[in-house]
Amino acid sequence: GEDVEQSLFLSVREGDSSVINCTYTDSSSTYLYWYKQEPGAGLQLLTYIFSNMDMKQDQRLTVLLNKKDKHLSLRIADTQTGDSAIYFCAEKIPGNTGKLIFGQGTTLQVKP
Amino acid sequence: DAGVTQSPTHLIKTRGQQVTLRCSPKSGHDTVSWYQQALGQGPQFIFQYYEEEERQRGNFPDRFSGHQFPNYSSELNVNALLLGDSALYLCASSSGQGTLNTEAFFGQGTRLTVV
Repeated sequence: GEDVEQSLFLSVREGDSSVINCTYTDSSSTYLYWYKQEPGAGLQLLTYIFSNMDMKQDQRLTVLLNKKDKHLSLRIADTQTGDSAIYFCAEKIPGNTGKLIFGQGTTLQVKP
Repeated sequence: DAGVTQSPTHLIKTRGQQVTLRCSPKSGHDTVSWYQQALGQGPQFIFQYYEEEERQRGNFPDRFSGHQFPNYSSELNVNALLLGDSALYLCASSSGQGTLNTEAFFGQGTRLTVV
């Protein structure tokens, strides 16, 4: 089936690292995404990884993929107050359309 | 590059009315997908348009329909509005199909409130 799950809330101190976790169900080769949503705004694409990769790094963001456990994580180094937002994990369903299945979102709270 | 633009940003409608939401994709993109995001939830796929045709549909009733124009812009229409249709409607644009269709960029959304 098509299902993506995330923990709902994470609170960290400014300057610490944040790790947001996600599990997905589709076992086909696919793309996995992380989006950021600030209050009242749309979704901002942060990064994505293909399912044959283990890791992808992009400045302060590191994505780790455990294919065996179908577990994806997003690590934000040196978390800032501006990183406070809801983070969505999404899985692209293989096929022509590239339909995305989203998790419920993880609210990241960064305390000064 | 204006990115993905949606209009209007906010809308209030009465139960039973009809609504039309609009989306212009990012320059160079030819594919538009629509998502519904209820409060506190992740976005849910409604349908996707490519080459002016609906390519795939999510689990939404026929009251939800759409259209894509030759310039790739798109409309989402919802008939016989229900209170439960209140949500943020997001448009995503991408380029190509299948393995080419890698990055989807979202607009800021239209907040629909049904009273």
